[in-house]
Amino acid sequence: DIQMTQTPSSMPASLGERVTISCRASQGISNYLNWYQQKPDGTIKPLIYYTSNLQSGVPSRFSGSGSGTDYSLTISSLEPEDFAMYYCQQYDSSPLTFGSGTKLEIK
Amino acid sequence: EVKLQQSGDELVRPGASVKISCKASGYTFTSYSMHWVKQRPGQGLEWIGAIIPIIDTTEYNQKFKGKATLTADKSSNTANMELSRLTSEDSAVYYCARGVRGRYFDYWGQGVMVTVSS
Repeated sequence: DIQMTQTPSSMPASLGERVTISCRASQGISNYLNWYQQKPDGTIKPLIYYTSNLQSGVPSRFSGSGSGTDYSLTISSLEPEDFAMYYCQQYDSSPLTFGSGTKLEIK
Repeated sequence: EVKLQQSGDELVRPGASVKISCKASGYTFTSYSMHWVKQRPGQGLEWIGAIIPIIDTTEYNQKFKGKATLTADKSSNTANMELSRLTSEDSAVYYCARGVRGRYFDYWGQGVMVTVSS
């Protein structure tokens, strides 16, 4: 199975701050990497697919990049609703696997 | 509007089975795969498997073979997952999610909490 290592596990940040979350795969995944946001009530929302493509309706302050084994999610200017958990997910090979998550907290 | 409405929370005895459902609306049910994801309390997400309703083909994470059985009822646009021989390790929230572009989940259900306890 491909292991996805997500860092940091938690990140205190301030409103308006630019933040980046990293995701490293245990082997190359050819950009088959998605990002999701989970709110405290459990609701899960898709953000980005195939490394850098923004899901319809997701604000443009979210962006994704990367290649090979290393990928990242950047939020350019934090809004109150962005404080949540974030997960990366690879779909290069089965089983599909997720990162362990990053909790974005208010500083 | 696409919606995935999951069944209610369950409290089940160890050793028993439970079947949870995911009713899809707002799109053509047979045109997309349906995936299932497990989340234990305070933990991350774990992919269980998927079903392609139009051909009733399933794919499982090896870890969940023998534990989860995925089915789809095309007449009611409902995907189901049965979990068998339940233990405390199966206590979790289970999500269904629509799969697009192969393996991207663009809509998620609200989740079903399964609690295994005597």
